[in-house]
Amino acid sequence: GESVGLHLPTLSVQEGDNSIINCAYSNSASDYFIWYKQESGKGPQFIIDIRSNMDKRQGQRVTVLLNKTVKHLSLQIAATQPGDSAVYFCAEGDSWGKLQFGAGTQVVVTP
Amino acid sequence: DVKVTQSSRYLVKRTGEKVFLECVQDMDHENMFWYRQDPGLGLRLIYFSYDVKMKEKGDIPEGYSVSREKKERFSLILESASTNQTSMYLCASSKQGANGDTQYFGPGTRLTVL
Repeated sequence: GESVGLHLPTLSVQEGDNSIINCAYSNSASDYFIWYKQESGKGPQFIIDIRSNMDKRQGQRVTVLLNKTVKHLSLQIAATQPGDSAVYFCAEGDSWGKLQFGAGTQVVVTP
Repeated sequence: DVKVTQSSRYLVKRTGEKVFLECVQDMDHENMFWYRQDPGLGLRLIYFSYDVKMKEKGDIPEGYSVSREKKERFSLILESASTNQTSMYLCASSKQGANGDTQYFGPGTRLTVL
């Protein structure tokens, strides 16, 4: 089947720096993409999404970039804070609302 | 805010027991999902439902069944629990749209089967 993957399983970032989390996807028919954040002991929490007809979307301190040519998705976190330490998942969705998740990237924010 | 609740945060069961995991959402969402999450494997879809009394198999339905008698409630059933079903179970819901929509997750149930 189709797969969604992440380039880096663990990302260590210094507090105040910007973080970039990357994701490769293989289903060119996916309609939308979502980034989730999961803190220890909690369920995944929605961060931001982007539709396939867009290439960039910004939220509060976060930006998602979509490059359909190379099937690449990234999440940028500005001015990373200790509270940003978590596992981040990308997911791609079809028109029926099903999501396919990547394995996740652990982000560790160091002081 | 969307709220998805799961009946238990932690469960310990014995091999062969029948296990019920309950999920309730309060946003009138049509779609509901059950996933399991294991280290290094991400989230894998077990079953999902687009409407009351409807169910569809996900990627790993073996050993599980589901029930959706009411729109707000989606139950996952392990007919005869086995040790390889020890995992974190996550429920999610989303509204139905032409292009799909964001899934909102509950806090998860960590199930241990001894």
